[in-house]
Amino acid sequence: EVQLVQSGAEVKKSGESLKISCQGSGYTFTSFWIGWVRQESGKGLEWMGIIYPGDSDNRYSPSFQGQVTMSVDKSISTAYLQWSSLKASDTAVYYCARLPSSWPDKPFDVWGQGTLVTVSS
Amino acid sequence: EIVLTQSPGTLSLSPGERATLSCRASQSFSSIYLAWYQQRPGQAPRLLISGASTRAPGIPDRFSGSGSGTDFTLSISGLEPEDFAVYYCQHFGSSPQTFGQGTKLEI
Repeated sequence: EVQLVQSGAEVKKSGESLKISCQGSGYTFTSFWIGWVRQESGKGLEWMGIIYPGDSDNRYSPSFQGQVTMSVDKSISTAYLQWSSLKASDTAVYYCARLPSSWPDKPFDVWGQGTLVTVSS
Repeated sequence: EIVLTQSPGTLSLSPGERATLSCRASQSFSSIYLAWYQQRPGQAPRLLISGASTRAPGIPDRFSGSGSGTDFTLSISGLEPEDFAVYYCQHFGSSPQTFGQGTKLEI
């Protein structure tokens, strides 16, 4: 079964750093992009960016460029999203999702369960 | 960046009825780059339709998509209780990909 399993909920303070993870299984991890999507409470979906585990090629949304960093560890089929200095406005659920290597021909087809990040000021 | 505007914001219908959701783009693009997702409360989004009209595996045929250019539509015939959720359209053909703001389908 193809799955993306994300790390658990986090509670942090403003200014702290954080790295959340997304582990893929049931497929060849290096042959699919991994994307990140933010969802603030009660709000819609925001596309943050994508990274290709095969060569770490990446694309960031201008809204998130410089605010977060995407990375991967191919050896353990895991993608990461990290912040160096969290703000209260980073409070949201973050989803990872799989994007076929044939992108742009195909959209996200498998999603992780989401990671809730809560940042207190 | 392509901006997608969905309407209506909320659609109130009853089980058995037909739902029609709209997604309008700020500029024209190929329909092969338009997807629809369903998000139930407390769950991750689920791919319903890609290429504007191709159902994802396991999606019932009561879901159908259509459209081209700047105007796209998701139709759901014979609404089932589990269909009451939020629906998002997405342009995925270039970076940054974008989502519409969502349509909430409620009973």
